Amino acid sequence: KAGVTQTPRYLIKTRGQQVTLSCSPISGHRSVSWYQQTPGQGLQFLFEYFSETQRNKGNFPGRFSGRQFSNSRSEMNVSTLELGDSALYLCASSLAGVGDTEAFFGQGTRLTVV
Amino acid sequence: AQTVTQSQPEMSVQEAETVTLSCTYDTSESDYYLFWYKQPPSRQMILVIRQEAYKQQNATENRFSVNFQKAAKSFSLKISDSQLGDAAMYFCAYRSLQTGANNLFFGTGTRLTVIP
Repeated sequence: KAGVTQTPRYLIKTRGQQVTLSCSPISGHRSVSWYQQTPGQGLQFLFEYFSETQRNKGNFPGRFSGRQFSNSRSEMNVSTLELGDSALYLCASSLAGVGDTEAFFGQGTRLTVV
Repeated sequence: AQTVTQSQPEMSVQEAETVTLSCTYDTSESDYYLFWYKQPPSRQMILVIRQEAYKQQNATENRFSVNFQKAAKSFSLKISDSQLGDAAMYFCAYRSLQTGANNLFFGTGTRLTVIP
């Protein structure tokens, strides 16, 4: 069974640009959550998608958005990139979300904003 | 809001010895899960062990066990017979079972070094 796949693994963008990150969950999993990991703020929850709907959202500005497709694949978009957006972005998938005993993580996308 | 605190930024242990990583959390809820995740240099978060708050018995997974003290809101991880492959960042995490939200609240992590 394939794990959670995040693409690309590494990304370098210029301040002011926008970026799209992709996450393919484990087959059969319908919940996808996104996290930002930085040395200063640690791991912070961005949002969760379930059945193509955003079910929960963390405390991030509107420049951070996402969506989920009918095959459960999810994308995360950051517009007008700032230097502080440099981080490891992790995606986690689970069967249905609430009540699941385990979330499976991908290897992350390392975003560097210059 | 729930908060998770890991007061040990770094720990080290001799190979084959035992080490305990500390975690405390703050919540007003009664139903929740607690987790320990391991993040090796490959960056992928790997679940080490989980504990359901309603269970009195401490969870164990081979060399890994927890000491869950619900009243004290404490959730420590004990690694026995430490191996070189245990070297990683370890994160304690909380998930509510009452709010309908699926997100995890993480602590700041403890970097574990295993000395040969």
